[in-house]
Amino acid sequence: SQQGEEDPQALSIQEGENATMNCSYKTSINNLQWYRQNSGRGLVHLILIRSNEREKHSGRLRVTLDTSKKSSSLLITASRAADTASYFCAPDGSGGGADGLTFGKGTHLIIQP
Amino acid sequence: KAGVTQTPRYLIKTRGQQVTLSCSPISGHRSVSWYQQTPGQGLQFLFEYFSETQRNKGNFPGRFSGRQFSNSRSEMNVSTLELGDSALYLCASSLVPGQGLAGANVLTFGAGSRLTVL
Repeated sequence: SQQGEEDPQALSIQEGENATMNCSYKTSINNLQWYRQNSGRGLVHLILIRSNEREKHSGRLRVTLDTSKKSSSLLITASRAADTASYFCAPDGSGGGADGLTFGKGTHLIIQP
Repeated sequence: KAGVTQTPRYLIKTRGQQVTLSCSPISGHRSVSWYQQTPGQGLQFLFEYFSETQRNKGNFPGRFSGRQFSNSRSEMNVSTLELGDSALYLCASSLVPGQGLAGANVLTFGAGSRLTVL
């Protein structure tokens, strides 16, 4: 299994602004997932994008995937204070879970009121 | 539907002791994964169990071990605790690996067990 690397490590924006974070990985994938972690809690699955998809939306979330660049981005529109959390990507290159999912150090997002 | 339950939520141990953490997966989930999260190293994969068998193991010393029971509940054990073992230990469950969301391994995490080693 491979680990994604999130960028930036930290991001601070004003409430209402959009937040964009990026993920890079090294080898081919079957799908890529994004998770959120509120301080000191477990991770929560946000969205999954498959390798044959280029863009996916879920509410205020928009995920893109560029397999040629081995990168993904997560956009949160109209941010809210409750979006303050760490965000992790998890590239899954195993065709459905043959290896454990691994995570990078995440992007720590702070939404300022 | 109950979520992933981890016990205990908090515990304090001293160096040299051992600790056992428990994880009850979501009903119907048969795969359980364990992670260690520290400020310095981030979220690191420990191991994954399915049908009482360890499928994958991360790069941790043999002091870290685990097991899964026939009801899919899992425990992990850390022996001879070191200060560096202080961390948030997260358990996550999923359906049969490879068969969730048409082939994706989507994880549902518990709230974690926070271990402090003094």
